[in-house]
Amino acid sequence: DIQMTQSPASLSASLGETISIECRASEDIYSNLAWYQQKSGKSPQLLIYAANRLQDGVPSRFSGSGSGTQYSLKISGMQPEDEGDYFCLQGSKFPLTFGSGTKLEIK
Amino acid sequence: EVQLVESGGGLVQPGASLKLSCVASGFTFSDYWMSWVRQTPGKTMEWIGDIKYDGSYTNYAPSLKNRFTISRDNAKSTLYLQMSNVRSEDTATYYCSGYNWFAYWGQGTLVTVSS
Repeated sequence: DIQMTQSPASLSASLGETISIECRASEDIYSNLAWYQQKSGKSPQLLIYAANRLQDGVPSRFSGSGSGTQYSLKISGMQPEDEGDYFCLQGSKFPLTFGSGTKLEIK
Repeated sequence: EVQLVESGGGLVQPGASLKLSCVASGFTFSDYWMSWVRQTPGKTMEWIGDIKYDGSYTNYAPSLKNRFTISRDNAKSTLYLQMSNVRSEDTATYYCSGYNWFAYWGQGTLVTVSS
């Protein structure tokens, strides 16, 4: 199985701050990576797919980058509604695997 | 509006069987692969498996393949997850998800395995 190592496990950011979350794959996943946001008590929502494609309706302050085994999600200007959990998912090889998650809070 | 509505969760005893359902609406269900994903109380996400749009092919997480079966009824726009010989570690919220890159998710159904 491809292991997805996500960091940090938790993060506290001030309003307007730019933050990054990383996912490292145990092998090349050829940009087959998505990022999800999950707010408390809700289902996950797709933010980014194919490493850097912004899902329709997602604010442009969210961006994704990376290739090979290293990927990141950036939020440019933290907003109160960005609090929640964030997960990466690799879609390169079965079984699909998720990162362990990052809890993002407002400082 | 796209909707995925799971049902069938609840409290079950170890060793029992359980069948979850997910009714889809708002998109052409029969055009898309569909998946089941679970999230443990500790928030760990695990992909369970998926099924081809016509139901002819499935993929599973190897650790679950022998106990879980995914099926679908396109006439009813419904996805199923048959769980057998459940264990305490199967306690989780179970989501159905589909469309490209899991763009659609249901609200989840909680399964608690306990005696």
